[in-house]
Amino acid sequence: EAGVAQSPRYKIIEKRQSVAFWCNPISGHATLYWYQQILGQGPKLLIQFQNNGVVDDSQLPKDRFSAERLKGVDSTLKIQPAKLEDSAVYLCASSSISGTALSGANVLTFGAGSRLTVL
Amino acid sequence: GESVGLHLPTLSVQEGDNSIINCAYSNSASDYFIWYKQESGKGPQFIIDIRSNMDKRQGQRVTVLLNKTVKHLSLQIAATQPGDSAVYFCAERRINAGKSTFGDGTTLTVKP
Repeated sequence: EAGVAQSPRYKIIEKRQSVAFWCNPISGHATLYWYQQILGQGPKLLIQFQNNGVVDDSQLPKDRFSAERLKGVDSTLKIQPAKLEDSAVYLCASSSISGTALSGANVLTFGAGSRLTVL
Repeated sequence: GESVGLHLPTLSVQEGDNSIINCAYSNSASDYFIWYKQESGKGPQFIIDIRSNMDKRQGQRVTVLLNKTVKHLSLQIAATQPGDSAVYFCAERRINAGKSTFGDGTTLTVKP
């Protein structure tokens, strides 16, 4: 089974520039998550999709961050304009089950992440 | 604020010894607690989970203990190996929320 694919792996931009990250989840996984992981911290959820609908974007800084999952498969996370504090690893994860009592719903499969450095 | 947090940011053990990584949580409404392992340059990897109505769950070389009285859980790794060196995160999930909320990690270093 192929894992969660993310690109680019690394990106360096200057503040106020824009950047986009792409994620291809595991085939058949309905739920897709974008997490932000700042160095030395745990991942923080930015947005959660169920198929192509947004389930939770309460922690997404909507003035500069946007995300979409138009066909319920691939997803793109965009930052425009970037700030210094956006330097982090952006992790995409997917799961086959969401919001159920099944233990399997806890298994998030993460990609390797996209490391963003804002100068 | 955070609903889960690790007790120690770093832990160093000798190869072959048992490791215990601790985590405290504040939200009694959590339905599941989950442990993830993150190696350098990779995303977190699921290790084991435990439902909030359980006290103990065992996997291969790992055991998770949950003490709801003091809102504490631990991950025990038996016969720690160099490949266990990584950052370990505890996370919590509420069924109706779907998402997992992570604490900050504990870096485990295994000395040969």
